[in-house]
Amino acid sequence: GAVVSQHPSWVICKSGTSVKIECRSLDFQATTMFWYRQFPKQSLMLMATSNEGSKATYEQGVEKDKFLINHASLTLSTLTVTSAHPEDSSFYICSAPSHRGVLTNEKLFFGSGTQLSVL
Amino acid sequence: RKEVEQDPGPFNVPEGATVAFNCTYSNSASQSFFWYRQDCRKEPKLLMSVYSSGNEDGRFTAQLNRASQYISLLIRDSKLSDSATYLCAGYGNNRLAFGKGNQVVVIP
Repeated sequence: GAVVSQHPSWVICKSGTSVKIECRSLDFQATTMFWYRQFPKQSLMLMATSNEGSKATYEQGVEKDKFLINHASLTLSTLTVTSAHPEDSSFYICSAPSHRGVLTNEKLFFGSGTQLSVL
Repeated sequence: RKEVEQDPGPFNVPEGATVAFNCTYSNSASQSFFWYRQDCRKEPKLLMSVYSSGNEDGRFTAQLNRASQYISLLIRDSKLSDSATYLCAGYGNNRLAFGKGNQVVVIP
């Protein structure tokens, strides 16, 4: 079945550094990628939607200059947390529909998530 | 108001018992609904889609009530392995919004 590979699984970094998270669709073309963030005991909060070849759409309250999203190819989307601070420590996860158009069924595949800890 | 709301619990359930919980949604334009299971620090895994007619998959039954804007999940004959967080999700406006999740702990 369709698989989304997300790396790294864990990141520990110093405050002020930038961290890049990659999500790759392994056997399908992901024209859209959803990026979520989840704090402990909280829901998955949609941060942004990336679309191949165009600018990402950010949710209200998400700083686009801090969370840089690049979706340069049909199989790769990246999220870069720039100048990370302790409050950015969270679980970040990507997901992609395996087909074009409106998601009307369960054809949404998740990466395995990245736990970011900023010291 | 959040798009999707759930009572996080935890729901402590004796092994073999039945547990049920609801999830309310605010976006009446939401087209599709799902229940996901999430284990700690893991990606959500689709449990089942939810239909107005109700659907059942083994010990799990899901129901959608559009008039009252809620979806429900019922787990029968709870197993220890059912301990997890159950997230409801609604799809609308080209995005999938999740609830906070219902944490279920099945007790021997």
